[in-house]
Amino acid sequence: DVKVTQSSRYLVKRTGEKVFLECVQDMDHENMFWYRQDPGLGLRLIYFSYDVKMKEKGDIPEGYSVSREKKERFSLILESASTNQTSMYLCASSSTRGQPQHFGDGTRLSIL
Amino acid sequence: AQSVTQLDSQVPVFEEAPVELRCNYSSSVSVYLFWYVQYPNQGLQLLLKYLSGSTLVKGINGFEAEFNKSQTSFHLRKPSVHISDTAEYFCAVSDIGRGYQKVTFGTGTKLQVIP
Repeated sequence: DVKVTQSSRYLVKRTGEKVFLECVQDMDHENMFWYRQDPGLGLRLIYFSYDVKMKEKGDIPEGYSVSREKKERFSLILESASTNQTSMYLCASSSTRGQPQHFGDGTRLSIL
Repeated sequence: AQSVTQLDSQVPVFEEAPVELRCNYSSSVSVYLFWYVQYPNQGLQLLLKYLSGSTLVKGINGFEAEFNKSQTSFHLRKPSVHISDTAEYFCAVSDIGRGYQKVTFGTGTKLQVIP
């Protein structure tokens, strides 16, 4: 069965810290995505990657960067965490265009 | 550019009653359409998808949706809901074309099933 694993379910960090969120998929999918989910706003795309070492900005990339050194792993980096980055972060992967995305269980990140 | 509108943020319904969750989309090209469900403290799971062919799509847990191109809608229905259907439901659209797949999600509809 398809599996997308996010390294932490809950994370608490301080303002100014560099924060790493890790995501691993075991389906050999080309595409991987990072979203943040906030009440009333739905899912908003931060970054996505269509291949190893390739990345594209989504709708809200400011304050974030990503890394994809291996096909199965896609990392989201908060360069200097701020309180407005407190949110639920969801990782997803998909194979070819038109195929649905498979999601991890999410990381609830609190920045104090 | 594509967009998705879920008209209802919350829908309360009694157990065993029918339900319809509404979704309208906007796109300048043909699209793929999806419905996902999110249970508390979990990620999103695919309920059903429309890629092509029959406009009535059946999904898991007894849900179905109908693609209406003229009305640019993809409403989700279930004839009889169960307590376990209490969750948040997201409609999503992806344009058919070349390049990388970008999926746009609606803002979600919370379905509350009342015993």
